[in-house]
Amino acid sequence: LAKTTQPISMDSYEGQEVNITCSHNNIATNDYITWYQQFPSQGPRFIIQGYKTKVTNEVASLFIPADRKSSTLSLPRVSLSDTAVYYCLVGVPSSGSARQLTFGSGTQLTVLP
Amino acid sequence: NAGVTQTPKFQVLKTGQSMTLQCAQDMNHNSMYWYRQDPGMGLRLIYYSASEGTTDKGEVPNGYNVSRLNKREFSLRLESAAPSQTSVYFCASSPTSGGSPETQYFGPGTRLLVL
Repeated sequence: LAKTTQPISMDSYEGQEVNITCSHNNIATNDYITWYQQFPSQGPRFIIQGYKTKVTNEVASLFIPADRKSSTLSLPRVSLSDTAVYYCLVGVPSSGSARQLTFGSGTQLTVLP
Repeated sequence: NAGVTQTPKFQVLKTGQSMTLQCAQDMNHNSMYWYRQDPGMGLRLIYYSASEGTTDKGEVPNGYNVSRLNKREFSLRLESAAPSQTSVYFCASSPTSGGSPETQYFGPGTRLLVL
């Protein structure tokens, strides 16, 4: 099973833009890329999802290059409340089923005052 | 709507004991999932159910069984618990039937300690 990798941690200051990249070099052809946010002692929460190019919603943007082997979550003007672990989720081809869902290892974002 | 609920919130077991983790969703979703999350690690898929009556293995199914009791409920059973199964278990649901794109909604988790 191909790995989905992310940086372990990142620090930022309030008001800055933060970019977190996920590498998924074996993503299934028709699969979307989804990003989740997780606070301590809670389940992950959906942030944004995309298939190619750029997607933007009220909280984040997602950049996906043409080869789709990576994706970058962009958080504009972070605040202290954005301190959390961020995960990417993709489907990869699997022999046992059509696709196997794989979470990235997660990136701990710490926003400093 | 309560979303995805899980019971119990916390459980301590002795090695060899069995237990069932319960999960229910009230969003009329088709797919349901069980993940485990070990300290400092990401989530790994144990089993999933793309629709009522079907289940499939995920990345780490050994030592677990599941039952999709009906559209709302998806249970995870440990027949003979081992210390390696100490983890936080998350249940999730999605409106789609296993295809992409999908958005998963997660429960609050069950913290399991096996001594």
